[in-house]
Amino acid sequence: EVQLVESGGGLVQPGGSLRLSCAASGFTFSSYWMHWVRQAPGKGLVWVSRINSDGSSTSYADSVKGRFTISRDNAKNTLYLQMNSLRAEDTAVYYCAREEPGTSKKGAFDIWGQGTMVTVSS
Amino acid sequence: DIQMTQSPSTLSASVGDRVTITCRASQSISSWLAWYQQKPGKAPKLLIYKASSLESGVPSRFSGSGSGTEFTLTISSLQPDDFATYYCQQYNSYTWTFGQGTKVEIK
Repeated sequence: EVQLVESGGGLVQPGGSLRLSCAASGFTFSSYWMHWVRQAPGKGLVWVSRINSDGSSTSYADSVKGRFTISRDNAKNTLYLQMNSLRAEDTAVYYCAREEPGTSKKGAFDIWGQGTMVTVSS
Repeated sequence: DIQMTQSPSTLSASVGDRVTITCRASQSISSWLAWYQQKPGKAPKLLIYKASSLESGVPSRFSGSGSGTEFTLTISSLQPDDFATYYCQQYNSYTWTFGQGTKVEIK
């Protein structure tokens, strides 16, 4: 079964750090671009970050640039999001999602994880 | 940055109704547009990619159209399972942006 499972969320104080993980299974992880998307409580979806297949290229939303770092370990089939200098406005459910590059599905996220909640509060 | 604007924000409809949701991009995105369905407490589900291609396993009552800056998602006959929030999402030059969402409610 094709699956993405996030972990690592929790309660953190403003200014703190957290690292999210996304474990992939059921597909060739190293062939796909991977993304993080977040959703604040009661709000819409917001794209956060993307990494290409071999990890050599990354992109970030302006709201997290310089504070968040996306990375991947293709040997472990795992995606990461290192979040530093966390703010109250970073409170959200964080989803990892898969994109198949170079095909007609380019730009679309066809598989999503179940999400992990990050709460930034004192 | 490319902005995506969905309309309406909320839509009240009955089972069997034909429903249309519109998404406008602030600049041309060719056909690089996807539509998602999200139910409360669940992850989004891909419905349509490349503006009009139906994702495998998605019922044929869902269809997408458009190119450039204006796109539509149509549900030909609304079913009870379709009451949810729908998002459009664009891809252009290494940026990805979602619309604000359209909640489809029971009338």
